[in-house]
Amino acid sequence: QSVLTQPPSVSAAPGQKVTISCSGSSSNIGNNYVSWYQQFPGTAPKLLISDNDKRPSGIPDRFSGSKSDTSATLGITGLQTGDEAVYYCGTWDNSLGAGVFGGGTKVTVL
Amino acid sequence: QLQLQESGSGLVQPSQTLSLTCTVSGGSISSSIYSWSWIRQPPGKGLEWIGFIYHSGSTYYSPSLRSRVTISIDTSRNQFSLKLSSVTAADTAVYYCARREIGEFFDYWGQGILVTVSS
Repeated sequence: QSVLTQPPSVSAAPGQKVTISCSGSSSNIGNNYVSWYQQFPGTAPKLLISDNDKRPSGIPDRFSGSKSDTSATLGITGLQTGDEAVYYCGTWDNSLGAGVFGGGTKVTVL
Repeated sequence: QLQLQESGSGLVQPSQTLSLTCTVSGGSISSSIYSWSWIRQPPGKGLEWIGFIYHSGSTYYSPSLRSRVTISIDTSRNQFSLKLSSVTAADTAVYYCARREIGEFFDYWGQGILVTVSS
């Protein structure tokens, strides 16, 4: 059972938008930055979003992050078949004194 | 371009100690800005945070693994290491090393190494 809760899967047609939620608590998301990662099968995760909403160099602006209270959201617009992957959120948990990840959300392009 | 590469035994017997090393190239592991982390992923499952170390040697570990895990750093070799003792089949996973930035995010990752616990 992950400390951060993500939906197991989301799907949409090419060109559409999907949002992935990441729900936590005041001990983690509520008081810390959230990051998001994209992972394709057999490869290492890749940083998509840091500090709630900052895109590293090279990440398309189709990917966006936001945070409100104890939840965070990753948005992907103009969905492409190449976006089919598993997406993870992560943050620090003050109560645990450790980092935590969500369980991951598989994005399917219909 | 910073690169991280995991190395170590891919097969460990139950009750033994898992040992992995991450070699960092293209940058110094001695930077005070970053810390160096281990994250694992059991087959077909999600990411699990293990812990990290600063160049000074200060460490932070997952509460669920704290009694069995040790992360160390060798700045002269630009490497950091993971030891996990008393392993069981539940420790079978792909182990990743990664650079951790303040703000709790990981911007550079190794390719991962599969460690199987089996007799």
